[in-house]
Amino acid sequence: DIVMTQSPDSLAVSLGERATINCKSSQNILYNSDNKNYLAWYQQKPGQPPQLLIYWASTREPGVPARFSGSGSGTDFTLTISSLQAEDVAVYYCHQYYSTPVTFGQGTRLEIK
Amino acid sequence: EVQLAESGGGLVQPGGSLRLSCAASGFTFSNYAMSWVRQAPGKGLEWVSVITGSGGASYYADSVKGRFTISRDNSKKTLYLQMDSLTAEDTAVYYCAKDLRSGGKGDVWGKGTTVTVSS
Repeated sequence: DIVMTQSPDSLAVSLGERATINCKSSQNILYNSDNKNYLAWYQQKPGQPPQLLIYWASTREPGVPARFSGSGSGTDFTLTISSLQAEDVAVYYCHQYYSTPVTFGQGTRLEIK
Repeated sequence: EVQLAESGGGLVQPGGSLRLSCAASGFTFSNYAMSWVRQAPGKGLEWVSVITGSGGASYYADSVKGRFTISRDNSKKTLYLQMDSLTAEDTAVYYCAKDLRSGGKGDVWGKGTTVTVSS
C-alpha cells in the first residue's frame, strides 16, 4: 500500500498570511503514460464531508478559490493557501489515487493564529 | 445537481450486522465507480471498498475483507454496504463517494451516516 505522510500535523497561520502543507508518498505516484500525478487534496470542515480542492496535484476543482494551489511531482507535494481567510479553518488531507487501495494522509489541522 | 445521500446507520451490538445505502442523483450512476470511506471519531479518512460502474468488480480494505460486501443497483441508482461481524473498531461515519478509485478523483461525497458498534 502507498503510505501518505503529511507535515505538519497542525498549523496556525495569521489571517492574510500564507499557509503551506506538505505531503509525501511512499512510492512515486506520477504515471509515466499520461505524465499525471495521481494526487488530490481535500478540505474537511467540522461536521461536514471532505470537499475536493485539487486533483492531478495542481488542478483546482471548479468553484475552489484561486488562493488554493497545489504543486509537486513524483513523491513530494504541497498545498498552498496564499492568503488565509477565516473560512479556511479546516483539516486538509492529501490522497493518492494511483493504485488500490487508495489512501489518505493523516490530515493537517489548520487554525488561525 | 449531483447529490449522494447515505442512510442506514445506527447503533448495533458487537457481532451484529447493518446495511448502509447511498442514493445517487444528478449524474449517470452506472457510468461511475463508487466507494465507501469511513472516519472513526476524531480520526482521519479510511477507504473501505470500491465497486465498478457495472458492479462487475469490487475491492476491499484488508480491515473489512470477508466481513463487508459492497453492491449496487443501477436501476435504483443506489449503492449498498452490507456490514457483518461488526466490532467496536468499525464505529465511524461512513461516506459514499463518486468515482473515488484508482484513476478517479472522488469529486462528490455524501454527508455520511453514523455507525456505532457498542453493547
